Amino acid sequence: GESVGLHLPTLSVQEGDNSIINCAYSNSASDYFIWYKQESGKGPQFIIDIRSNMDKRQGQRVTVLLNKTVKHLSLQIAATQPGDSAVYFCAENQGGSEKLVFGKGTKLTVNP
Amino acid sequence: ETGVTQTPRHLVMGMTNKKSLKCEQHLGHNAMYWYKQSAKKPLELMFVYSLEERVENNSVPSRFSPECPNSSHLFLHLHTLQPEDSALYLCASTPSRNRLNTIYFGEGSWLTVV
Repeated sequence: GESVGLHLPTLSVQEGDNSIINCAYSNSASDYFIWYKQESGKGPQFIIDIRSNMDKRQGQRVTVLLNKTVKHLSLQIAATQPGDSAVYFCAENQGGSEKLVFGKGTKLTVNP
Repeated sequence: ETGVTQTPRHLVMGMTNKKSLKCEQHLGHNAMYWYKQSAKKPLELMFVYSLEERVENNSVPSRFSPECPNSSHLFLHLHTLQPEDSALYLCASTPSRNRLNTIYFGEGSWLTVV
């Protein structure tokens, strides 16, 4: 079936480095994507979203890139901090649907 | 604090027990959701309520029974569960069903079935 997945289950970076977390999706009809952050013991929190009419969107220290040609989504975190340590996962939505399909998640660990 | 409160945070129950999970939101949202989060699996949508009416049951076994007495409260009644039902159960709410970018999750209820 069609699903959203992540390339790597874990990512370890040094504090201050940039982090890149990837997501592959297979539903070419998906036109809205969201990145979530889930810290240990907490529920997922919205980070940033992007619609399919864009290929890049920037937030505070985060950038989401969308490559519709290869159905790939990435989350870039600049100057990664210890507080960024969490599980990150993407979710996709097909226009007209009220469902979000979630990926499995990548665990980001920031080393001091 | 996301405005969505779940209780209990941790629950251990036997396979013959009956228990309930509670979710409360005072965000004025009209849609509420139950999700299941298992280790190494994506978030799975279980139920959707909109204006207190169940609008989606995502092929969830009948041993899970949701209840939405009003737009601020959502329950998940549990009975005769299996060990594989052990997971983090997340409640969420949105202003309306199509406002996906404003979904607020609670911190979850960790359920262990023994």
